[in-house]
Amino acid sequence: QVQLQESGPGLVKPSETLSLTCTVSGGSISSYYWSWIRQPPGKGLEWIGYIYYSGSTNYNPSLKSRVTVSVDTSKNQFSLKLSSVTAADTAVYYCTRGGPGDPLDYWGQGTLVTVSS
Amino acid sequence: SYEVTQPLSVSVALGQTARITCGGNNIGRKNVHWYQQKPGQAPVLVIYRDSHRPSGIPERFSGSNSGNTATLTISRAQAGDEADYYCQVWDSRIVVFGGGTKLTVL
Repeated sequence: QVQLQESGPGLVKPSETLSLTCTVSGGSISSYYWSWIRQPPGKGLEWIGYIYYSGSTNYNPSLKSRVTVSVDTSKNQFSLKLSSVTAADTAVYYCTRGGPGDPLDYWGQGTLVTVSS
Repeated sequence: SYEVTQPLSVSVALGQTARITCGGNNIGRKNVHWYQQKPGQAPVLVIYRDSHRPSGIPERFSGSNSGNTATLTISRAQAGDEADYYCQVWDSRIVVFGGGTKLTVL
């Protein structure tokens, strides 16, 4: 059974860079797409972007200028960096498996990241 | 950009059938996926590619998609079905989520 686990700081200062890592267990990161989703408190789901195991990426146009997603197949991990954060970036961040056309079939438990000084 | 629209809330009596819609321009030409999210939990895939149920999802959950509307149907609704439900499509390699529907079981 594939499992995903997010890790990273729960508190980030405004204007700094949010960094999260998702560790995949119970299966290989190879041959799949992997996505990041976020959910502000009390609001709906927002897609951030995806990466293919080979390294190709695609991002939400509204976040594209601030987002970088990378993959480390040797560690079975993929990562998210979101720069120049503001309070509007406060959200639960989820990592998921899924790419173009496919459902997001496996989800991490989510990690709350708060942007505050 | 493509948009999908869901009702904010749907109510259903215990044991009756709930229908949650997801509207979009010619959405019938796209694959629609549905997720259930209970408070404090991660979303769970309940229907994929319009009408397919993942392993472990009860047969009470079904889906359809035609024209400009996709529908998630929950038969014999139970108290445990109370949750937020999100539809999702891919459009030009970008994920589009509906705004979510809160299902209340009365």
